[in-house]
Amino acid sequence: EPEVTQTPSHQVTQMGQEVILRCVPISNHLYFYWYRQILGQKVEFLVSFYNNEISEKSEIFDDQFSVERPDGSNFTLKIRSTKLEDSAMYFCASSVSVAEKLFFGSGTQLSVL
Amino acid sequence: AQTVTQSQPEMSVQEAETVTLSCTYDTSENNYYLFWYKQPPSRQMILVIRQEAYKQQNATENRFSVNFQKAAKSFSLKISDSQLGDTAMYFCAFMKPYSGNTPLVFGKGTRLSVIA
Repeated sequence: EPEVTQTPSHQVTQMGQEVILRCVPISNHLYFYWYRQILGQKVEFLVSFYNNEISEKSEIFDDQFSVERPDGSNFTLKIRSTKLEDSAMYFCASSVSVAEKLFFGSGTQLSVL
Repeated sequence: AQTVTQSQPEMSVQEAETVTLSCTYDTSENNYYLFWYKQPPSRQMILVIRQEAYKQQNATENRFSVNFQKAAKSFSLKISDSQLGDTAMYFCAFMKPYSGNTPLVFGKGTRLSVIA
């Protein structure tokens, strides 16, 4: 079965540094998402992306965050200047169409020191 | 805004027994989608089952079934013949109908332990 692939699986960074989390959605999917889960808490929506632009974003997705689909296969989440509270598991997801089931990647565990 | 409530932070069940996980939600929408996702210790999010609100028939997937009560805004998950591999965090999630890329709204989850 096709999978959403995320790299790296773990990322450790210093506070204030920039990080880029990478995702390869399922090839025929058109809708892309980033979610995050702080340890022990529920999964929270960050942003959705369609047709090379952001469709929706949450309050969490402030100016420090950006997304990009640079080459037609990758979908990246950039955090410009990481903060301690950005430490979380970040999940990429994709779907073939609106309201269809989301397929999630295995996540990137980001630790900000 | 939509909210999803899972009132059972933790549950346990004996292997081969049946367990039901509760979920309620709040919305003013008439049509929407409901999901149960499983998150094992690996922390990957795996779709268990999906229900469309306009369908009266409860969704089933092998040992997993739901009891969807639209008027009560309740969406419980029943796991029959529980297996050790069912041990995981289970999240109930809600999605609005077509309105762009509407995000999934998750509950806080129920940690299920299947005991041998």
